[in-house]
Amino acid sequence: SQQGEEDPQALSIQEGENATMNCSYKTSINNLQWYRQNSGRGLVHLILIRSNEREKHSGRLRVTLDTSKKSSSLLITASRAADTASYFCATDPNQGGKLIFGQGTELSVKP
Amino acid sequence: DTEVTQTPKHLVMGMTNKKSLKCEQHMGHRAMYWYKQKAKKPPELMFVYSYEKLSINESVPSRFSPECPNSSLLNLHLHALQPEDSALYLCASSQERLGEKLFFGSGTQLSVL
Repeated sequence: SQQGEEDPQALSIQEGENATMNCSYKTSINNLQWYRQNSGRGLVHLILIRSNEREKHSGRLRVTLDTSKKSSSLLITASRAADTASYFCATDPNQGGKLIFGQGTELSVKP
Repeated sequence: DTEVTQTPKHLVMGMTNKKSLKCEQHMGHRAMYWYKQKAKKPPELMFVYSYEKLSINESVPSRFSPECPNSSLLNLHLHALQPEDSALYLCASSQERLGEKLFFGSGTQLSVL
């Protein structure tokens, strides 16, 4: 079963604009993670937010978590062409190492 | 060294071949993972090793056989694969709690003819 659903599936913006991606999940979680993947490459861990946190920042990234709505959002501010990639949310509902990825959002930042 | 190294980067094999994918990390991570990813899809978990012991097998067909010879190495042995097994195979490792902050390799792009 799919744990994480993301929207939009694809997002195209101009350099300098902000990009917001959303993730919804089904079961209770201990934490939620966001990863980036450049085309045909491995994933890069961006940020982890725990269930007792509501917001977390890392550089130009801002992640929010609403456990009552079972949703999270990733905001990239002042986007750059180099931010062009697929972004995935991921959860491990049973905290046993079974990290499950959402469908992903494909972000395109045009110079 | 903060890298997970996967070899080979590309592999083409016939359905009767036997091949192995290799993964190596020198970060002292005690958990290692194999994921399979089809184009335009999210990675799907195949196996998890924790302290060199297989802890999760996501009902993967036996034509895929994982091996963890030591804490730095992870292999995936392939035998009698099908064309639908063609995909990007990703290895990852993690240091902290299982399933948190995974470091991924660049993957092996596998084509089965």
